[in-house]
Amino acid sequence: NAGVTQTPKFRILKIGQSMTLQCTQDMNHNYMYWYRQDPGMGLKLIYYSVGAGITDKGEVPNGYNVSRSTTEDFPLRLELAAPSQTSVYFCASSYRDEGGHEQYFGPGTRLTVT
Amino acid sequence: AQKITQTQPGMFVQEKEAVTLDCTYDTSDPSYGLFWYKQPSSGEMIFLIYQGSYDQQNATEGRYSLNFQKARKSANLVISASQLGDSAMYFCAMRSPPTGANNLFFGTGTRLTVIP
Repeated sequence: NAGVTQTPKFRILKIGQSMTLQCTQDMNHNYMYWYRQDPGMGLKLIYYSVGAGITDKGEVPNGYNVSRSTTEDFPLRLELAAPSQTSVYFCASSYRDEGGHEQYFGPGTRLTVT
Repeated sequence: AQKITQTQPGMFVQEKEAVTLDCTYDTSDPSYGLFWYKQPSSGEMIFLIYQGSYDQQNATEGRYSLNFQKARKSANLVISASQLGDSAMYFCAMRSPPTGANNLFFGTGTRLTVIP
């Protein structure tokens, strides 16, 4: 199993550009998540999904959009990139959203907006 | 409101020694879960250990153990016999309430450096 994969690994965007961060998991997990990690900070939840066709906002959703058309894929869309979106983005998935069911993380995408 | 606090931005430990990484939390939920994750320089987040609030015994996973003191609201990670490969960022996280996909909260992390 590849686990959770993310592409690209690195990206530099100009202000106002758009892009999609890709995330795929092969563990048949219903639950998927997008986090951002700013320097010196913990992870903050952007969006999450509890199954195909169902998404919801997390703590910091502004400036982002998601979709979940399949169980495997959970892309994150940035529209009109801003310098405040410079961060490392992690996708994660889990079998359940309770108890000791841990989240499995992808390797991250380092995004710089200039 | 839920809050996770890691007060040690950086820690050093001699190889083969034990080290404790501190984590305190705050929640009004009587049931919750506590996690520790490791983030090496390569960037990925690796799950280490879990403790449920009603678990009677402290969790252990190999060289990792969780010193859970419920009354003090602390969930410190103890790494025994440190290895050079333990050098990484370590994040404490809390799931509170115990179910729900949007309720995993992370601390700011502690950077551990193992000295040969």
